[in-house]
Amino acid sequence: QKEVEQDPGPLSVPEGAIVSLNCTYSNSAFQYFMWYRQYSRKGPELLMYTYSSGNKEDGRFTAQVDKSSKYISLFIRDSQPSDSATYLCAMRAQKLVFGTGTRLLVSP
Amino acid sequence: EAGVTQSPTHLIKTRGQQATLRCSPISGHTSVYWYQQALGLGLQFLLWYDEGEERNRGNFPPRFSGRQFPNYSSELNVNALELEDSALYLCASSLYGGNGYNEQFFGPGTRLTVL
Repeated sequence: QKEVEQDPGPLSVPEGAIVSLNCTYSNSAFQYFMWYRQYSRKGPELLMYTYSSGNKEDGRFTAQVDKSSKYISLFIRDSQPSDSATYLCAMRAQKLVFGTGTRLLVSP
Repeated sequence: EAGVTQSPTHLIKTRGQQATLRCSPISGHTSVYWYQQALGLGLQFLLWYDEGEERNRGNFPPRFSGRQFPNYSSELNVNALELEDSALYLCASSLYGGNGYNEQFFGPGTRLTVL
């Protein structure tokens, strides 16, 4: 079993839709939870990070962590074509462990 | 402020050869991390260097090695290349990556193709 599981997609939505991206994990030692966005031919860039359980909001993005269920989510409101990218969840105990990424396509 | 830079952008080698990839961290960052991003596998942690020393290593064979120089730049060497080494190799840097959280900033990567 992988430490971090993420649906690879692709996930196709129309512009303006609410997008939900999710990851599950097995290692209860993870304390820091992150979402990265990766455009084609670029390195990942950090979108949001949270420490332990709870919600965090930044503009159109909301990150949720449920440590009891070992489940994290990223919500994107009013999605835009510029949001089309691969979204990677990542978690850290001793080292950073990434999910495989979900490819998101937002059509105009 | 310049971001993390990597060279070369692309590298084509044949099986059995050696590859050397280079990374320059953001000024002021002492930690450098190397990741392999192969198709369908996501980012796999390779190595972490800080202050010139290897601090942690992922589940990769010893033919993956590297070093960090006094100016904090880093080199990743892959010996005896195999076809499955074909991947995007990403370098990231951060302030000291020990306890606590320090954001890792990624470079654009080096695309290694092994023929």
